[in-house]
Amino acid sequence: GAVVSQHPSRVICKSGTSVKIECRSLDFQATTMFWYRQFPKQSLMLMATSNEGSKATYEQGVEKDKFLINHASLTLSTLTVTSAHPEDSSFYICSARMIQGITEAFFGQGTRLTVV
Amino acid sequence: AQSVAQPEDQVNVAEGNPLTVKCTYSVSGNPYLFWYVQYPNRGLQFLLKYITGDNLVKGSYGFEAEFNKSQTSFHLKKPSALVSDSALYFCAVRDMEGSYIPTFGRGTSLIVHP
Repeated sequence: GAVVSQHPSRVICKSGTSVKIECRSLDFQATTMFWYRQFPKQSLMLMATSNEGSKATYEQGVEKDKFLINHASLTLSTLTVTSAHPEDSSFYICSARMIQGITEAFFGQGTRLTVV
Repeated sequence: AQSVAQPEDQVNVAEGNPLTVKCTYSVSGNPYLFWYVQYPNRGLQFLLKYITGDNLVKGSYGFEAEFNKSQTSFHLKKPSALVSDSALYFCAVRDMEGSYIPTFGRGTSLIVHP
């Protein structure tokens, strides 16, 4: 199956600093990448959808200036949490969808962000 | 609009017994349906999907799901549960004629007891 690599898997940062999370599709080209946030024992909350070369589409209530998404190529999208605060601590997951043919999305391993 | 309901927060089953994790959906058109599994502190792994054709879909790790159009359901099943099946399971739906963004259910925690 298709592989999506997310890095880092775990990060601890200080309040006020920025953190970048990378999501790469290793063996396919991704038309679209999705970024989710997951709280403990809760479902996935879609934060934004990004298409290669264009601006990301953010879900209602998600601050685009705080969660910067860049989708510079068909295999790489990044999420930068700017000026992180403890309430940003969460599990962030990316997923990628192939250009054509296959309909399901493939997920990265997730990133556990802890802001202290 | 599309939506998914997973009515059970948790399912408990003894090892070796059959398991069922329930999912019902709502879409305007025809559905694409998916099941994913999530282990602690990991991303979601794709298990199986229904696109068209045979209503019984077989997937990874011995799981299968049955598409029932009249009941708008897509329950996940396995004939004999393993302790290692214990995880969080998510059902997802996409409207074939609608948005390419899937909608996920809230997840069901499956606990298989030895």
